[in-house]
Amino acid sequence: GQQVMQIPQYQHVQEGEDFTTYCNSSTTLSNIQWYKQRPGGHPVFLIQLVKSGEVKKQKRLTFQFGEAKKNSSLHITATQTTDVGTYFCAGNAGGTSYGKLTFGQGTILTVHP
Amino acid sequence: NAGVTQTPKFQVLKTGQSMTLQCAQDMNHEYMSWYRQDPGMGLRLIHYSVGAGITDQGEVPNGYNVSRSTTEDFPLRLLSAAPSQTSVYFCASRSTGMGYTFGSGTRLTVV
Repeated sequence: GQQVMQIPQYQHVQEGEDFTTYCNSSTTLSNIQWYKQRPGGHPVFLIQLVKSGEVKKQKRLTFQFGEAKKNSSLHITATQTTDVGTYFCAGNAGGTSYGKLTFGQGTILTVHP
Repeated sequence: NAGVTQTPKFQVLKTGQSMTLQCAQDMNHEYMSWYRQDPGMGLRLIHYSVGAGITDQGEVPNGYNVSRSTTEDFPLRLLSAAPSQTSVYFCASRSTGMGYTFGSGTRLTVV
């Protein structure tokens, strides 16, 4: 079945440093979504990427979808303590599996002030 | 709008007991899913539904049943609880082209 791998599992940064998490799928995706989960909370949707090579920005966050639609990345510029949490990617294969969203294991980000 | 409502928030079961985790959404979303979250394993899909009357299995369906008799409700049934089912369970819903809205979760302990 479809697998979505995410690295690194943990990332510790000093406030102001940049952060990147990478996501790779075993199959070509129809779209990929990114979520953030604060400690003790539930996942919150950040963004969806659909097109090959797509790049989207949300303030200090930059999201990319690979040309082959099998990988993606999330880059945070100049981290802040409010960025702490777990970042998940989630892939959808589309077609008859459109309702099925497979999550990566997540990257836990800690930011030291 | 209440969004996605999960009940109960906490539950302790004895091995072998059965129970139903409730999930309701008021956003008229067609897609609903149940995930379990365990440390280091991310969110694993248990069952999902693409509309009323239609359900399908996810990655880890064994030991769980679902039904979707209405658009709003998507209950998850544990048939005979086992310690391996100790986890945090999240219900989520979405419409086409949207991201999932998650409920606040149910923390289940099976002893």
